[in-house]
Amino acid sequence: GEDVEQSLFLSVREGDSSVINCTYTDSSSTYLYWYKQEPGAGLQLLTYIFSNMDMKQDQRLTVLLNKKDKHLSLRIADTQTGDSAIYFCAETWNQGGKLIFGQGTELSVKP
Amino acid sequence: DTGVSQDPRHKITKRGQNVTFRCDPISEHNRLYWYRQTLGQGPEFLTYFQNEAQLEKSRLLSDRFSAERPKGSFSTLEIQRTEQGDSAMYLCASSLAGTGRTQDGYTFGSGTRLTVV
Repeated sequence: GEDVEQSLFLSVREGDSSVINCTYTDSSSTYLYWYKQEPGAGLQLLTYIFSNMDMKQDQRLTVLLNKKDKHLSLRIADTQTGDSAIYFCAETWNQGGKLIFGQGTELSVKP
Repeated sequence: DTGVSQDPRHKITKRGQNVTFRCDPISEHNRLYWYRQTLGQGPEFLTYFQNEAQLEKSRLLSDRFSAERPKGSFSTLEIQRTEQGDSAMYLCASSLAGTGRTQDGYTFGSGTRLTVV
């Protein structure tokens, strides 16, 4: 079945690390993505990870994948007020096919 | 190329009217996707095209919805006899398939916000 779940809200202080979690049900997922959506804007691709990897780092972003538990996380180091947005994880199991999104985690960064 | 463009940005229509949205993808992208996003939810897949061929349609896409991509470039999404439940953000995305680059993800437009009154 297709299901991606995220916690709905996360609040952190500026300068702290943020960790946004996601679980998925489809074990055949090949690519897992993190998107950012700011108010009134479209979706911005932040990073992705292929299912045969367990970690990917890109500047302040670290993605961890636990394929056994079907758990994906996004860590944002040194969180800034500009990181306040809704973050979506998404999965796909065939190249270029449909993405299945979670319901999004609203990140609030307090100064 | 300025990315994926969607037109209009906002549309208010009366229940029962027909509406049509347009999406212009990134020019070299051969795949084009339509998603619907309601408040507080993630985007839900509606349909996608590779070139002019419509390859998959979601069960969410009732017979009041039709999408076309006649020349494999821009696409239109038409909703006939709109209902209040159709009020949502309609997002278009494009990607380049078949060259090993699909793992780079999809580029999304800013969406068309539909309000049915």
